Amino acid sequence: DIQMTQSPSILSASVGDRVTITCRASQSISTRLAWYQQKPGKVPKLLIFESSTLNSGVPSRFSGSGSGTEFTLTINGLQPGDSATYYCQRYNTYPWMFGQGTKVEIK
Amino acid sequence: EVQLVESGGGLVQPGGSLRLSCIGSGFAFTENYMDWVRQAPGRGLEWVGRSRKKAQRYTTEYAASVKGRFTISRDESKGALYLQMNSLRTDDTAMYYCIKDDGMGAMDSWGQGTLVTVSS
Repeated sequence: DIQMTQSPSILSASVGDRVTITCRASQSISTRLAWYQQKPGKVPKLLIFESSTLNSGVPSRFSGSGSGTEFTLTINGLQPGDSATYYCQRYNTYPWMFGQGTKVEIK
Repeated sequence: EVQLVESGGGLVQPGGSLRLSCIGSGFAFTENYMDWVRQAPGRGLEWVGRSRKKAQRYTTEYAASVKGRFTISRDESKGALYLQMNSLRTDDTAMYYCIKDDGMGAMDSWGQGTLVTVSS
């Protein structure tokens, strides 16, 4: 199975910072990658699909990039409400798989 | 507006069975792919399985950890998705989410989840 490795596991940043989360696949997955945000006690929410397409209603400070084996989620201008755990998910072949998650904390 | 409402969770003993239900509304149930994803307490997300749309005869895929024990099915007359869970183990304890995906695999609508606890 193609494994997904997310880094870092925890990230602490200040309001207004630019934040980058990386997701690496053990083999090429083309652009079959999504990013989700899960706030504490809440249901995950789709942010980005097909590596770089912003889901409807998601603020433009979120962006995604990458193809093949390396992908990034960037938050430009971190806001207090962005404190959450972020997951990548590949969906190129079964079994689909999520990354381990990156917890973003606000300093 | 898409709505997904799960039910059927609860406490079950190891080796037991449970059937989760998910009622969908606000979208064309037969024309959409549906998934189950679970999240153990304090842990990350784990894909459980997928049901393709009616045109693909609702065929299914499963994670290795549940294959042979869990079965996904639908009742289109009720707009319902089911997850039949047999031979439950303590490590099946999790919140189970019913999801509509976009057809490619990105999970665009999530239910609120139903909690399954496997314990003696």
